[in-house]
Parts: sequence; C-alpha cells; structure tokens
Amino acid sequence: QSVLTQPPSASGTPGQRVTISCSGSSSNIGTNSVNWYQLLPGTAPRLLIYNNNQWPSGVSDRFSGSKSGTSASLAISGLQSEDEADYYCAAWDDSLGGFYVFGTGTKVTVL
Amino acid sequence: QVRLHQWGAGLLEPSETLSLTCGVYGGSFSVYSWAWIRQSPGTGLEWIGQITHSGGTNYNPSLKSRVTISRDTSNNQFSLRLNSLVAADTALYFCARVRRDGYNRFLRFDYWGQGSPVTVSS
Repeated sequence: QSVLTQPPSASGTPGQRVTISCSGSSSNIGTNSVNWYQLLPGTAPRLLIYNNNQWPSGVSDRFSGSKSGTSASLAISGLQSEDEADYYCAAWDDSLGGFYVFGTGTKVTVL
Repeated sequence: QVRLHQWGAGLLEPSETLSLTCGVYGGSFSVYSWAWIRQSPGTGLEWIGQITHSGGTNYNPSLKSRVTISRDTSNNQFSLRLNSLVAADTALYFCARVRRDGYNRFLRFDYWGQGSPVTVSS
C-alpha cells in the first residue's frame, strides 16, 4: 500500500556520506511533514528525523533531513558501522480520509 | 522516562481475532494519542491506526473493516483487535506514542513498545 518510494538499498564505506531518497505526492510529502525512522535488527523503530529536518533528543546530527516539493531525503554523514540498518520515510497522507504512510524502506550497508 | 510494554497471543489460526494490549508507564497517558504499527517481511512498516487523546479513532483504509483500537485510561493501556485473520497478517506488531503538535500533518511516533511477533497459521 506504500505510496512513498525509496531505493531498496544504499551503501558506503566508514566515514562516507550516504543519501536516501523518498518520493511521494501532493497528498503526502507535498503537504505534510516528513519523518524518518531507523530499524535495527531485533529492536523497535527509532525516530531519527521529524518535521522534515528536526532531531529528537539524543539523535546524532550526523543524520540530516530535507524536503523539496514531493520528495525528501535523509543524509548520513560520517558513516559508522552501527548505522547499518533499515531506514523508512513516513508522512501523513490526506487522501482516503487521511492515514499515515511509511516508505518502502532502504537497507543501508556499511562496506 | 516513558516506557511502553505490550503483550498478547502470538500464534493464531486463520479467521481468528488478534488481541494485543500496550501498557504505558511514566509520562501522561490521557493527553496523547496512541497507535499500532506492524512490520511484515514482505511489506515493511504499516500504520494500523490510532486512538486520539479524546478517544476518537483513525484506521488504515486497507484494514478499517477488521480493526478496533480502544483504551483504558484508568490503567494507562490501549488495545488492538484485528479480526478475520489471514496469513498476510503475520507480522511484528508495535504500539507507539503519537506526537502531532495539534495537527496530523506533523504526526510521528516517538516512543515504541518492544514489539509482539504474531504468526497466523493453521
């Protein structure tokens, strides 16, 4: 059902910068704030970025978010081995009476 | 510190009803909305629905006919019921606290439960 499209995978070596894209539409990203979540194996999802580019308390500023039109992106700078995880964008969608939608997810691998 | 702890049956048969409960410890319960989200191997994360601070509910259109979310404010708990289960409902189910700054356009989940694995199989 996801209407937010992400690349299935991304990778980089330690210290590099990795960027993940998230493509949506006018009813979700085009109108509403984008959030990013990190999923590590065996753990609950963690909110990384909210309101397009804001950090929750305790989140490293190596993670940064941006939005333009109906697309958003997450950048991870100074890539570290512990950043190897699945990343999901998400936003409220105003269609069909309103619902929250997650992206298709991107697996980040640290080479 | 806010902590969410969830529990419920993990192995169910097709056509049965899933029932999960999430207890909220620390922080205020009544001023927040609370949500259920699931993670399936094939489809990633999926928002199931939420119950607002005033007791209203919002559900994913794809699950709306089968879902009920309720709350027990006296015990700081909220629950999920999903009926007419099928194999595709097999997933890891999470409860979460909703933050929305007054509007759904700002909605996100800042605290999560530990996850409850649910398998639907005959």
